[in-house]
Amino acid sequence: GAVVSQHPSWVICKSGTSVKIECRSLDFQATTMFWYRQFPKQSLMLMATSNEGSKATYEQGVEKDKFLINHASLTLSTLTVTSAHPEDSSFYICSARVTRAGGGINEQYFGPGTRLTVT
Amino acid sequence: SQQGEEDPQALSIQEGENATMNCSYKTSINNLQWYRQNSGRGLVHLILIRSNEREKHSGRLRVTLDTSKKSSSLLITASRAADTASYFCATARLDTGANSKLTFGKGITLSVRP
Repeated sequence: GAVVSQHPSWVICKSGTSVKIECRSLDFQATTMFWYRQFPKQSLMLMATSNEGSKATYEQGVEKDKFLINHASLTLSTLTVTSAHPEDSSFYICSARVTRAGGGINEQYFGPGTRLTVT
Repeated sequence: SQQGEEDPQALSIQEGENATMNCSYKTSINNLQWYRQNSGRGLVHLILIRSNEREKHSGRLRVTLDTSKKSSSLLITASRAADTASYFCATARLDTGANSKLTFGKGITLSVRP
């Protein structure tokens, strides 16, 4: 259980185009999903927190107009990189938070990541 | 420097040996978690230790937490070549609750030689 998928797993696009990445929780509902960015051999940097039915909360320094997040349902969040540039090339990873009955610490399950290359 | 810094940054050991990785953090935490990432893949949750716990075990994994020193260690016993991966610690800050967002360290690259 608690499987998170991402689509596509990799994408190459031309500079100036937009790319949409999907994050799905396959066997559970997630009111909260997170989007991370990871450069080669570096750590994960949180970009934004995606909440179902409301606006995403962006981390400081992340342009919300460039990285559009839509959490349209309890199983799907999308990240759209608008007007992509080569510096946006990175590994994008989403996670979904599992809500456990009875309270307590909720766990995050991570998707396999999407490799974006902007040429 | 960022919350959650691991050391060493790279570790190479022989199969069968134990691997010890350390993580230090700066703020008060609610819990600390360790994750594994194989090259070019997503993260796999390994173990979570709460701030009121000192040690936890899961299979070949042993995690300790010392809140007075703001540090944690991950021990992998009897390592296998399949343990080769990057390992990250991640902290959930105390002031933002048990279900807060995670802050990840820089990661440790573990290589286990067959």
